[in-house]
Amino acid sequence: GAGVSQTPSNKVTEKGKYVELRCDPISGHTALYWYRQSLGQGPEFLIYFQGTGAADDSGLPNDRFFAVRPEGSVSTLKIQRTERGDSAVYLCASSIGTGPSNEQFFGPGTRLTVL
Amino acid sequence: QQQVKQSPQSLIVQKGGISIINCAYENTAFDYFPWYQQFPGKGPALLIAIRPDVSEKKEGRFTISFNKSAKQFSLHIMDSQPGDSATYFCAATNRVSGGSYIPTFGRGTSLIVHP
Repeated sequence: GAGVSQTPSNKVTEKGKYVELRCDPISGHTALYWYRQSLGQGPEFLIYFQGTGAADDSGLPNDRFFAVRPEGSVSTLKIQRTERGDSAVYLCASSIGTGPSNEQFFGPGTRLTVL
Repeated sequence: QQQVKQSPQSLIVQKGGISIINCAYENTAFDYFPWYQQFPGKGPALLIAIRPDVSEKKEGRFTISFNKSAKQFSLHIMDSQPGDSATYFCAATNRVSGGSYIPTFGRGTSLIVHP
């Protein structure tokens, strides 16, 4: 079956530009998560959605970062006025539930490079 | 401040050997401890996980040992195989304000198993 997909797989942009990263979760998964993984580090939580609403956005580093999930399926992470420090792999994950043992299934990530 | 400390950063093992990765945490609110395996260009995938009321969990060649009083846990890979070569992340989860359980990841261990 189809797993979590993310597009684009790679994105190169210039400092100050706006980017959108897309995540298609596994069908039927109500919870969707965004993480950021810097080189040589583990993923860091950014935001998660339960259905259409952002249930917790405490991991977003600043107000340049925003995410939406308007129909409770596909999600888009939006980054305004990109900075070189935003360069990282952005991972999306989805799960069928939100309990501690509900497995989060990760996509392959979008590698963002800000020049 | 790193909430989950993982060591070693890298590990080289001969085929058939035992790979051991250690993690330690400080936050006693953590209540579930998964391990993830990540191959290059892929997202992390859940390998095995343990609840804090259990001291050991074994699944095939993979065993988690958990010491609640010491706030330490470790992953043992028995009979290590070249196909096990990957980056391994320990994690500790706690419930966030939105109700979901979010993992805090260690920095990862790059495992290479020589044939």
